[in-house]
Amino acid sequence: ILNVEQSPQSLHVQEGDSTNFTCSFPSSNFYALHWYRWETAKSPEALFVMTLNGDEKKKGRISATLNTKEGYSYLYIKGSQPEDSATYLCAFTTGGGNKLTFGTGTQLKVEL
Amino acid sequence: DAGVIQSPRHEVTEMGQEVTLRCKPISGHNSLFWYRQTMMRGLELLIYFNNNVPIDDSGMPEDRFSAKMPNASFSTLKIQPSEPRDSAVYFCASSPRQGMGGELFFGEGSRLTVL
Repeated sequence: ILNVEQSPQSLHVQEGDSTNFTCSFPSSNFYALHWYRWETAKSPEALFVMTLNGDEKKKGRISATLNTKEGYSYLYIKGSQPEDSATYLCAFTTGGGNKLTFGTGTQLKVEL
Repeated sequence: DAGVIQSPRHEVTEMGQEVTLRCKPISGHNSLFWYRQTMMRGLELLIYFNNNVPIDDSGMPEDRFSAKMPNASFSTLKIQPSEPRDSAVYFCASSPRQGMGGELFFGEGSRLTVL
């Protein structure tokens, strides 16, 4: 069983704060790491798919980094806004297995 | 563009009844995935298809669950007989790339309640 762990489980920040979450995954036989944003009553939407060690991706105020050797990825949100409130999921897959295993997510609440 | 379409959105049924959930993937996507979301276990992969062929069904909980993809534009997930512990939200997702290299596009989910 491949375990993907995310921390923290939940996070409350004030509008304008910058924040980050962690996704840890087994580093052996790495293939791809995905980040998804999941708003309440909606379906998960992809933010990033990362495959290379040292990869950094950015979409607006959200960015992510990847370290495949040590098995972690960070998601950063700069200047959090209330509309950033959502659950952020990471998911991991190994080469050949083709099974995307999701973490349980970090639930972010941005307060005014 | 139409996204992944799932039906029904909500289903309430009694224990022992057959349940069929349906999914229409995004046109041109060649991979389709069924996930189940519960409070206890989060998002679990049940089964996925590449080019309509089931590749990995090791996540299907037991023989009461079955999934088919008769063509590129339609898939079903069937539970027979249903049990209260099957209550969950079932998501279908499709991807333009085989396997897990490409991002997944999720449907809005089918919320199943088994009484």
